[in-house]
Amino acid sequence: QQQVKQSPQSLIVQKGGISIINCAYENTAFDYFPWYQQFPGKGPALLIAIRPDVSEKKEGRFTISFNKSAKQFSLHIMDSQPGDSATYFCAASRPPYNFNKFYFGSGTKLNVKP
Amino acid sequence: DGGITQSPKYLFRKEGQNVTLSCEQNLNHDAMYWYRQDPGQGLRLIYYSQIVNDFQKGDIAEGYSVSREKKESFPLTVTSAQKNPTAFYLCASSMASTYNEQFFGPGTRLTVL
Repeated sequence: QQQVKQSPQSLIVQKGGISIINCAYENTAFDYFPWYQQFPGKGPALLIAIRPDVSEKKEGRFTISFNKSAKQFSLHIMDSQPGDSATYFCAASRPPYNFNKFYFGSGTKLNVKP
Repeated sequence: DGGITQSPKYLFRKEGQNVTLSCEQNLNHDAMYWYRQDPGQGLRLIYYSQIVNDFQKGDIAEGYSVSREKKESFPLTVTSAQKNPTAFYLCASSMASTYNEQFFGPGTRLTVL
């Protein structure tokens, strides 16, 4: 049973457009939601993260929108660039706080066309 | 430079052989993790360790083994009992508390011939 469901599986966006990736979860104990970016043949790297006490977090062209009541969160990439072409993973984690276990979504492969 | 190194980058194994994947970090992190990545399935946790000489099974531990004799090192052995070992293996580390970023290594691609 997948704890975090991610969609779409793949996404094609024109340069300058907005890329939107969605994730949903069931476990209300989750309280930390990071997004990771992965380029081919490389390990994932943290892009941006949010806690449920805020509904939105923005860092440059990347924004996380969080809807606690709907148990959904999404990544918006504004002014998408070809260099943003990568696979994006959402994740969630919950207490206990003695270590940081993440539950990852299945990933979205983004292709930004020039 | 601080970071996580994994070796080798590519590994080929014959059926029935055990192979060991290396993971080393110099970030002074207490917690280390092994994930398996398959197309369309995201990252699945194999094993994790919060402290030296202690480790716990993740969601897909069958056919794998680990050791944590040093803080910096967390090698993963893929045994012959793993029925479908061909995958991309990622090692990660983090501070041993929540809300902390997991830092990932570059990965090892294992292919069974």
